Amino acid sequence: DAGVIQSPRHEVTEMGQEVTLRCKPISGHDYLFWYRQTMMRGLELLIYFNNNVPIDDSGMPEDRFSAKMPNASFSTLKIQPSEPRDSAVYFCASSLNGGHMNEQFFGPGTRLTVL
Amino acid sequence: QQQVKQSPQSLIVQKGGISIINCAYENTAFDYFPWYQQFPGKGPALLIAIRPDVSEKKEGRFTISFNKSAKQFSLHIMDSQPGDSATYFCAASYNTDKLIFGTGTRLQVFP
Repeated sequence: DAGVIQSPRHEVTEMGQEVTLRCKPISGHDYLFWYRQTMMRGLELLIYFNNNVPIDDSGMPEDRFSAKMPNASFSTLKIQPSEPRDSAVYFCASSLNGGHMNEQFFGPGTRLTVL
Repeated sequence: QQQVKQSPQSLIVQKGGISIINCAYENTAFDYFPWYQQFPGKGPALLIAIRPDVSEKKEGRFTISFNKSAKQFSLHIMDSQPGDSATYFCAASYNTDKLIFGTGTRLQVFP
């Protein structure tokens, strides 16, 4: 299996621009998680989906962030408009049967820099 | 109460030494405690996990020690190797799909 695939791996954009991050989970996994990693705050859960349905988006920092999962093999995280404080590494992870007592498989991440 | 506090933030160990990373939690409902290992430029990957019905779990050179009464758990890396140099995250969860991660410990093992 190819594992969790994320694109792009690096993104540099200017403040105010729209940014779209993409994720392809492992085939057959029914849970998908979006995380943000920064030096100050570590790994933060932004939102997660079960069977393509958003379950908990309480970690989404503000309305500028949105996430979708139109089908079982694709998810997007969009930031519009982007701000310098959004600069971070964004990870997508997937798991079979949820996160509790089940391994989450992380993608390689997207490093976002907002100038 | 949802936090998992991790220390130290960084750790430098000589090859062959023992690396110890500590985590503490408040929520007594937590019942699953995994450790994830992250190499530079990669996503975290599950290393080892424990449930609170045991006090210790060992996999090779990696051991989790769990103290339920103190609400603490730790990762011990015996005979640390340069290849163990990575960031380590403890985490906790309870009856939900969410993992609460600690802030991470950057381990450097020098030859």
